[in-house]
Amino acid sequence: EAQVTQNPRYLITVTGKKLTVTCSQNMNHEYMSWYRQDPGLGLRQIYYSMNVEVTDKGDVPEGYKVSRKEKRNFPLILESPSPNQTSLYFCASRRTSGGAGELFFGEGSRLTVL
Amino acid sequence: AQTVTQSQPEMSVQEAETVTLSCTYDTSESDYYLFWYKQPPSRQMILVIRQEAYKQQNATENRFSVNFQKAAKSFSLKISDSQLGDAAMYFCAYTTDSWGKLQFGAGTQVVVTP
Repeated sequence: EAQVTQNPRYLITVTGKKLTVTCSQNMNHEYMSWYRQDPGLGLRQIYYSMNVEVTDKGDVPEGYKVSRKEKRNFPLILESPSPNQTSLYFCASRRTSGGAGELFFGEGSRLTVL
Repeated sequence: AQTVTQSQPEMSVQEAETVTLSCTYDTSESDYYLFWYKQPPSRQMILVIRQEAYKQQNATENRFSVNFQKAAKSFSLKISDSQLGDAAMYFCAYTTDSWGKLQFGAGTQVVVTP
């Protein structure tokens, strides 16, 4: 089954404690991206990657890091989480041929930073 | 600056009736892609419909159809014969190409009453 898998689905942590949200896709997509969803703001892009070792900032990259060492994996790293990073996070991927096709999303990770 | 605007925070519809969600966007591009995504309480992001700007014909998917007005930069979604399972948050989204970020509106919550 084609899917994007992210973990953990729920996480409560404290300010300053480093955490990583993993993301993996099995569709051989070149393009991967992280979004955060906040009420009234929709989804905003944090970082994206066009391929292995190629990453770039989205609209709200502050406080986040990413890496793309393998095509299928695109982890999101919060080096020193703060309460304003409490949000719902989505990893997504899509093919890059044939125009802009469907962006496939993971099931979301609800993060609470105390 | 907000590229995609959804002016209706919430819409209510009775079962079997029709509801139309509005979406406007701002762009200077001539080629681009527009999407409607559905987010039920499970939080999963589900593609409802996709429209390519160079296609004049409005996209349809079963009970879902769009009214794409390129000159007016408008992309409304019509849900016909509404069902309880249609209750969800609906997001309008825009991108220029397969490498571009998907820019989302703030969302419209659809409530379906029996």
